[in-house]
Amino acid sequence: DTAVSQTPKYLVTQMGNDKSIKCEQNLGHDTMYWYKQDSKKFLKIMFSYNNKELIINETVPNRFSPKSPDKAHLNLHINSLELGDSAVYFCASSSRLAGADTQYFGPGTRLTVL
Amino acid sequence: GQQLNQSPQSMFIQEGEDVSMNCTSSSIFNTWLWYKQDPGEGPVLLIALYKAGELTSNGRLTAQFGITRKDSFLNISASIPSDVGIYFCAGQRRATDSWGKLQFGAGTQVVVTP
Repeated sequence: DTAVSQTPKYLVTQMGNDKSIKCEQNLGHDTMYWYKQDSKKFLKIMFSYNNKELIINETVPNRFSPKSPDKAHLNLHINSLELGDSAVYFCASSSRLAGADTQYFGPGTRLTVL
Repeated sequence: GQQLNQSPQSMFIQEGEDVSMNCTSSSIFNTWLWYKQDPGEGPVLLIALYKAGELTSNGRLTAQFGITRKDSFLNISASIPSDVGIYFCAGQRRATDSWGKLQFGAGTQVVVTP
């Protein structure tokens, strides 16, 4: 009965590689987000999709490309990984249609770039 | 970008004591949210506030939406060991171009000793 799930939980990879993180929500929400949490625990939004359409795109390197195949899924693909990409990435979802601002977070993916 | 100032940065308290933390902003928000993050997990929503002056409780937690709409506080009464974690405030402006864009505080690390 997981609400927002992410895979993988941990991802260790070499600099220069390309990797993807997947997110799925079963809450029936229409909006999904990606956040980055740095080593100081600061949370910052990266992207937001509403009904598969990109609505928020913060100043994120274009090596990061989100993809939303449907309302329940939002994946994050990262090309040419750099050391500074090491962080915990959180997916979240909310219901814009219901007028609700509250966002529900997944368990996070800890990315380590060596 | 918009800064949310959350304080204190950390608190070391004894079991049974009350805890208070707050967030302030130079701009107004339409929504204030309080989250708790346990180690290795995603932020979990504790309380959502939608109206200036609103005071809402969730068990031993009480949060208020400041009248000026530029601040919010969270109280935890009679703390117990499982209250340990990082508490985040988050604010949101309900504008078309920023819907869903949560601004997070830096977090308050709470440590409860028996």
